[in-house]
Amino acid sequence: AQTVTQSQPEMSVQEAETVTLSCTYDTSENNYYLFWYKQPPSRQMILVIRQEAYKQQNATENRFSVNFQKAAKSFSLKISDSQLGDTAMYFCAFMNYGGSQGNLIFGKGTKLSVKP
Amino acid sequence: EPEVTQTPSHQVTQMGQEVILRCVPISNHLYFYWYRQILGQKVEFLVSFYNNEISEKSEIFDDQFSVERPDGSNFTLKIRSTKLEDSAMYFCASSGKTGRQETQYFGPGTRLLVL
Repeated sequence: AQTVTQSQPEMSVQEAETVTLSCTYDTSENNYYLFWYKQPPSRQMILVIRQEAYKQQNATENRFSVNFQKAAKSFSLKISDSQLGDTAMYFCAFMNYGGSQGNLIFGKGTKLSVKP
Repeated sequence: EPEVTQTPSHQVTQMGQEVILRCVPISNHLYFYWYRQILGQKVEFLVSFYNNEISEKSEIFDDQFSVERPDGSNFTLKIRSTKLEDSAMYFCASSGKTGRQETQYFGPGTRLLVL
C-alpha cells in the first residue's frame, strides 16, 4: 500500500523568505501523480501544485515549485517570497495512475506559519 | 471559475440519527469523491463514484454509509446511524472531464458534529 510521510509537523518562516516543506512517499508503482494541497484556517482544500511522475521537469506555479526526486521518492515544496496568506496546513498527496479510480492518499500535513 | 459547493457548512446531530451531506460537483466532471478529516488528523478517502456507481471505497466506508447522485447535479453522502466517531470534516471532490487522472477539486467541506 502506498504511504505518504510529512516529517515536519510545524514550520515557520519570515515574510518574504523562502521555505521548503518535505514529503516522502512509498510506492512500487512507476506511474503516479503527486500533489500539494493547502488548507487555510477556513478549512477548504486548495490545490497548490501537481506533478506527474513521468515528467522529469519539476512543476512550478508562480512562487511555488517542487523538487521531485523519483528515485529517492521525495517531493518537496518550495515557497518563495512567503506571504502572510501562505499561512496554512500543507498536505502532500499521492494518486496512483493505474488500477483504482484515483483516490488521493494524504500525508499528515505540515502547519506553516508566515510571520510578519 | 467553477467550484465544488457543499451544504450545509455545519451540521450538529444526535448519535443514531441519519444525516445527508450534499455536494454539487463542478459541471461536466465525471468522477466524484468523498473524503473525511477528523480534527487534527489527515484527510482520508471514503469513496469514489463514477457512471452512477461506486468505483472504490475504503474500509471506513461501511454499511452505514451510502452515496447517491439523485439528479444531474447533486452528489450526496448519507450516514444512516451516526456515531460519535463520525464527527469530522467531510469533503466532496470532483475531477475528470476527460479521464480520472485529472486533478481533484475540493469543496469547502461540511463540519459534522455528533453528540
